[in-house]
Amino acid sequence: EPEVTQTPSHQVTQMGQEVILRCVPISNHLYFYWYRQILGQKVEFLVSFYNNEISEKSEIFDDQFSVERPDGSNFTLKIRSTKLEDSAMYFCASSEVGNSNTEAFFGQGTRLTVV
Amino acid sequence: GNSVTQMEGPVTLSEEAFLTINCTYTATGYPSLFWYVQYPGEGLQLLLKATKADDKGSNKGFEATYRKETTSFHLEKGSVQVSDSAVYFCALSDREYGGSQGNLIFGKGTKLSVKP
Repeated sequence: EPEVTQTPSHQVTQMGQEVILRCVPISNHLYFYWYRQILGQKVEFLVSFYNNEISEKSEIFDDQFSVERPDGSNFTLKIRSTKLEDSAMYFCASSEVGNSNTEAFFGQGTRLTVV
Repeated sequence: GNSVTQMEGPVTLSEEAFLTINCTYTATGYPSLFWYVQYPGEGLQLLLKATKADDKGSNKGFEATYRKETTSFHLEKGSVQVSDSAVYFCALSDREYGGSQGNLIFGKGTKLSVKP
């Protein structure tokens, strides 16, 4: 069964460093998403991406964050100058189309720890 | 703004017990409602969904009914198994049916542990 894969499963980085979280969405999907979950808190929407551009983003997704689809298969989330409060589980998701009745498939998540 | 509130966990049950995980929502318009499940070491998986009032979503013995009058979407299962141990997330999509996905708004998640 096709699945969304994320790498690495766990990333430890020093405060101020840049990190890139990687995702391979399901191959025929057109919409891509990043969510995060700070420990003990809700899963929060960060950004959605379609046709090589951001279609929607939350207030969390500020200039520190960027997304890219560099090669037609990977979908990356870059966090510049990481802060302690960026420590969270980051989930990538993809869906075939973008309407609210379409299932989004999620990856296993990358646990980011900023020290 | 739109939000989802679900009961705090963890919930510990014996095998074959009845499960209810409460979920209520606040939303404008007519959101779609979802339950996602996360098994240990895996990603979020869609468990069931309902797209309009009075719809009942069901899967793997779990069910939830979209109650607009009480703004609720409680998850139930008549007889849980050890294999149901996981974290369960209630979520809503803040786009009406046919519109763009927008984002999913999740609850905090409820951890369920089922003991043999």
